[in-house]
Amino acid sequence: GQNIDQPTEMTATEGAIVQINCTYQTSGFNGLFWYQQHAGEAPTFLSYNVLDGLEEKGRFSSFLSRSKGYSYLLLKELQMKDSASYLCAVMDSNYQLIWGAGTKLIIKP
Amino acid sequence: GAVVSQHPSWVICKSGTSVKIECRSLDFQATTMFWYRQFPKQSLMLMATSNEGSKATYEQGVEKDKFLINHASLTLSTLTVTSAHPEDSSFYICSARGTSGGPSITDTQYFGPGTRLTVL
Repeated sequence: GQNIDQPTEMTATEGAIVQINCTYQTSGFNGLFWYQQHAGEAPTFLSYNVLDGLEEKGRFSSFLSRSKGYSYLLLKELQMKDSASYLCAVMDSNYQLIWGAGTKLIIKP
Repeated sequence: GAVVSQHPSWVICKSGTSVKIECRSLDFQATTMFWYRQFPKQSLMLMATSNEGSKATYEQGVEKDKFLINHASLTLSTLTVTSAHPEDSSFYICSARGTSGGPSITDTQYFGPGTRLTVL
């Protein structure tokens, strides 16, 4: 079966750095997406990785290792507004998105 | 760019009535649109995938006669919840994708703001 694993919840301090991991087992791979979802709102696109390596976009970076079936989202200089759920999703061989359950990130002052 | 709107943003209806939710891609043509449902503190659950001009593909366990999907144009898809019941109360979210598929950033799904449905 297809499976996406990410931690249920993480806590970090304002101004610090946090890494949210995602491991996946899917039938085929056509890219991995990270989305941010604030409570009561729809997800917003953060990043896309299809090749191995690190993609940096401001305070957020996303890393992919296809051989290990592993990705992480790195958030630097954390702000209170970063408190949200972070969803990892993999596009499989049928170009369908397989969604992880999301990681709830709690930022403390 | 890549803006998706959804209307209404919230709706309260009586049990047994039907509710229509619209999803529009405002600045791009969406060859494929997706409808999701999300219960509190749970992840997104894909209900169906619709391609413009063809019948929607429903996920296992989703009743196609209850959740009617129409993707009549490249910018509009509608979801109608027929004979709604309290257990249909949920957050319904649509997303749109601009290409027919492929390992590319253009396969990104962009989400509408969601519709919160409460059935009394």
